[in-house]
Amino acid sequence: AQSVTQLDSQVPVFEEAPVELRCNYSSSVSVYLFWYVQYPNQGLQLLLKYLSGSTLVKGINGFEAEFNKSQTSFHLRKPSVHISDTAEYFCAEKAGGTSYGKLTFGQGTILTVHP
Amino acid sequence: EAGVTQFPSHSVIEKGQTVTLRCDPISGHDNLYWYRRVMGKEIKFLLHFVKESKQDESGMPNNRFLAERTGGTYSTLKVQPAELEDSGVYFCASSRGTSGVNEQFFGPGTRLTVL
Repeated sequence: AQSVTQLDSQVPVFEEAPVELRCNYSSSVSVYLFWYVQYPNQGLQLLLKYLSGSTLVKGINGFEAEFNKSQTSFHLRKPSVHISDTAEYFCAEKAGGTSYGKLTFGQGTILTVHP
Repeated sequence: EAGVTQFPSHSVIEKGQTVTLRCDPISGHDNLYWYRRVMGKEIKFLLHFVKESKQDESGMPNNRFLAERTGGTYSTLKVQPAELEDSGVYFCASSRGTSGVNEQFFGPGTRLTVL
């Protein structure tokens, strides 16, 4: 069965510092990977996705993620965070092939940016 | 373009009662998904509609849950009778087309509390 592990449940960081949110996936076949963000009282919003091609994926709001097949990881990074980045972040995967459409999510990481 | 909407935003009911959640997807999106997040756990897939047909209902927890999508437009998720463990946030998402990698747009969720 597919599983996604987000290694940190909470990440506190100061404003303008770099941040990395870690994600490991389990699928051994072709996989599509996503990072979503949820701001308070809002739905999940797609930050970025990896489908194929370049392993470095750039998303909205200055975020990027690197697909590493040998380590089955898809860590999210931002070189300098803002207060407005405070939110919960979710890593998700969709297996290629027969698992049509449905996403498997990690447990979420709450990013708190302090002034 | 209006996003995915869900109603109600919150619902508090007693064990044994019935609750119906509604999701209105983005107009023109054939795919509609239901997910659930129980407190402290990951977001889990419940089921997937393509137009009015159930494509995948492998995540439905038991027969107390009934999902419908009338005419391929809005969807309802009924829980009857509700149990304490049904408490959580229910998310709806929609996507266009037939590709499983098309972005899923999420609604803000319905927070269900069963007392």
